[in-house]
Amino acid sequence: KNEVEQSPQNLTAQEGEFITINCSYSVGISALHWLQQHPGGGIVSLFMLSSGKKKHGRLIATINIQEKHSSLHITASHPRDSAVYICAVRTGNQFYFGTGTSLTVIP
Amino acid sequence: SQTIHQWPATLVQPVGSPLSLECTVEGTSNPNLYWYRQAAGRGLQLLFYSVGIGQISSEVPQNLSASRPQDRQFILSSKKLLLSDSGFYLCAWSTDMNTEAFFGQGTRLTVV
Repeated sequence: KNEVEQSPQNLTAQEGEFITINCSYSVGISALHWLQQHPGGGIVSLFMLSSGKKKHGRLIATINIQEKHSSLHITASHPRDSAVYICAVRTGNQFYFGTGTSLTVIP
Repeated sequence: SQTIHQWPATLVQPVGSPLSLECTVEGTSNPNLYWYRQAAGRGLQLLFYSVGIGQISSEVPQNLSASRPQDRQFILSSKKLLLSDSGFYLCAWSTDMNTEAFFGQGTRLTVV
């Protein structure tokens, strides 16, 4: 069993739709990251969370430490949001990654 | 500012040839450095991490090795590549002072 589980694996949405990607983890963590990987492969960090909720533009990330669960929401989705979204947790010096959610937003 | 450089971006190598991927970090000192591999259709897998010069921890036994000759330089190597070494390799760094992580642009390696 993976330390980090993401759902769904693949997601197709119409432009403008509200999108939710879920992440559950089974280890004790110091922080949780939401990452975005575009087709070229490079990864950028969207959020780092240790509690509560963060918002950046149309992106919102929440975490429930007791339930070991986090969600990434995209409001008013746009084709440029199409990418793979990866949940990662940090424990000590190590990071554990989910397998990613491939999002395609159709115009 | 803090940046991370990883090269080359793409690489096609024949089976049995050597490999050297380099990653350098700027704007910080004594970072924790990581090499990850992402095989097709799979998540990121930690290969090596280093908390200091000459200190390398290996997570997965394999055909690869890593070295950290300088504080902000991390090198991934192989003496003889296998077909199964094909994949996307990412370098990353973080610090103990905060838990943010920064990733390189990655190297797409195809072994033919």
